[in-house]
Amino acid sequence: AQKVTQAQTEISVVEKEDVTLDCVYETRDTTYYLFWYKQPPSGELVFLIRRNSFDEQNEISGRYSWNFQKSTSSFNFTITASQVVDSAVYFCALSEARTGNQFYFGTGTSLTVIP
Amino acid sequence: NAGVTQTPKFQVLKTGQSMTLQCAQDMNHEYMSWYRQDPGMGLRLIHYSVGAGITDQGEVPNGYNVSRSTTEDFPLRLLSAAPSQTSVYFCASSSRGQGRYEQYFGPGTRLTVT
Repeated sequence: AQKVTQAQTEISVVEKEDVTLDCVYETRDTTYYLFWYKQPPSGELVFLIRRNSFDEQNEISGRYSWNFQKSTSSFNFTITASQVVDSAVYFCALSEARTGNQFYFGTGTSLTVIP
Repeated sequence: NAGVTQTPKFQVLKTGQSMTLQCAQDMNHEYMSWYRQDPGMGLRLIHYSVGAGITDQGEVPNGYNVSRSTTEDFPLRLLSAAPSQTSVYFCASSSRGQGRYEQYFGPGTRLTVT
């Protein structure tokens, strides 16, 4: 079974629109970590954020915000006022404390921001 | 710091050939891993290491070997290349000892097996 599901394969938005990328995870651990990574067209993987399972506070960093909800096992990522430079593939990932040596990645969401 | 480096950036192999993908990090990270990225499948873990001398299998280990003789280096060996191993390979490292769990990735190696 997929531990991390990113149901949105591709999303297109017009510049300045807000967009939310969904991430749903599955784990039996009480302690786990969630991540978002960005992969721009150049191909490198860029770390964006890490969240612990015991910290449900939402986080905002500039135009980026993350909504972590344990009740729905979701860790969604919102980009406000999207820009062309936000065009990339975004991956959500899970690491469990019990098997902490393995990261489980979702299949990614490809975001295209149209100028 | 160079971070995580990978060589080569591109490689073309014939079926049955062997080769080693190199990975090095200069951040003194304990944990290192290898992933492959295929279209529509995200990143899948091949092998990982929690320290020098310790390696373990990930989700898709068949056809690959690893070793970790030093903290800095974590090479990935393809024993007998197959077209199914055509992929982009990423090496990553993280510092678990400091409680930081995010992984930092190298630039990737694009491998084509014909």
